[in-house]
Amino acid sequence: AQKVTQAQTEISVVEKEDVTLDCVYETRDTTYYLFWYKQPPSGELVFLIRRNSFDEQNEISGRYSWNFQKSTSSFNFTITASQVVDSAVYFCALSGVIQGAQKLVFGQGTRLTINP
Amino acid sequence: NAGVTQTPKFRVLKTGQSMTLLCAQDMNHEYMYWYRQDPGMGLRLIHYSVGEGTTAKGEVPDGYNVSRLKKQNFLLGLESAAPSQTSVYFCASRRTGQGYYGYTFGSGTRLTVV
Repeated sequence: AQKVTQAQTEISVVEKEDVTLDCVYETRDTTYYLFWYKQPPSGELVFLIRRNSFDEQNEISGRYSWNFQKSTSSFNFTITASQVVDSAVYFCALSGVIQGAQKLVFGQGTRLTINP
Repeated sequence: NAGVTQTPKFRVLKTGQSMTLLCAQDMNHEYMYWYRQDPGMGLRLIHYSVGEGTTAKGEVPDGYNVSRLKKQNFLLGLESAAPSQTSVYFCASRRTGQGYYGYTFGSGTRLTVV
C-alpha cells in the first residue's frame, strides 16, 4: 500500500523564522515520484516541486528547500526566512502505480500560519 | 490553454437532491481523477479513469458515480446527496506513457449539502 504521513497538523511561527514541514511516505515501488503542493486561502492547488525516486539530491529554490532521504522515506520541506505570504496548507504527495494505474496519494496536509 | 476546468465552482444542495459535477480537460490526457478534500484528511481519491469509456473506484467511492463517455470529460454524480458529502472536490488529469508526466488540477468545486 502507498501512504503519506504529515504528522504536523498545524504550525504557527513568527515571520522570518525558518520552518520545516515533515513528510514520511510508504511504498513498495522502486520507481515513484514525490510532490509538494501549496494551497493558499484562495483554494487552488499550486505545484511546488517533484522529485523522482532515483534522485536524492537536495534542492533549493529561493527560500524553499527540500530534503529527500530514501533511507528514512522522508521528503521534508523547509522555508527559510518565512513570510506572511507563505501562510497556506501544504500537501506532500506520492505518485506510483496502485492496482495497475498511476495514482497520486496525498498526506493529510499541514496548515502553516506565518504571523507578522 | 484552459487545462482542467471544473463546473460549477460552488453549489448548495439539499439532502436527497442529485447533481453532476463536470470536469473537462483540453490536453488529450488519458487519465482523469476525482478527489474530495476534507479538513485534516488531505485529498482522497473517489474515482478515476484510465481512458474513454473506463472508470474505476478509488479510496472513497461510496455515494458517487462517474462516467467518461468522452475522453475530455469526466463526470461525477451524486444521486442522493448527504451532508457527509459536503466537501471541496478536485478533478485532475494526467497523460500516460513512459517517463514522467505531471498532474494538472482544476480549481475545485465547493459543495455544501444542507
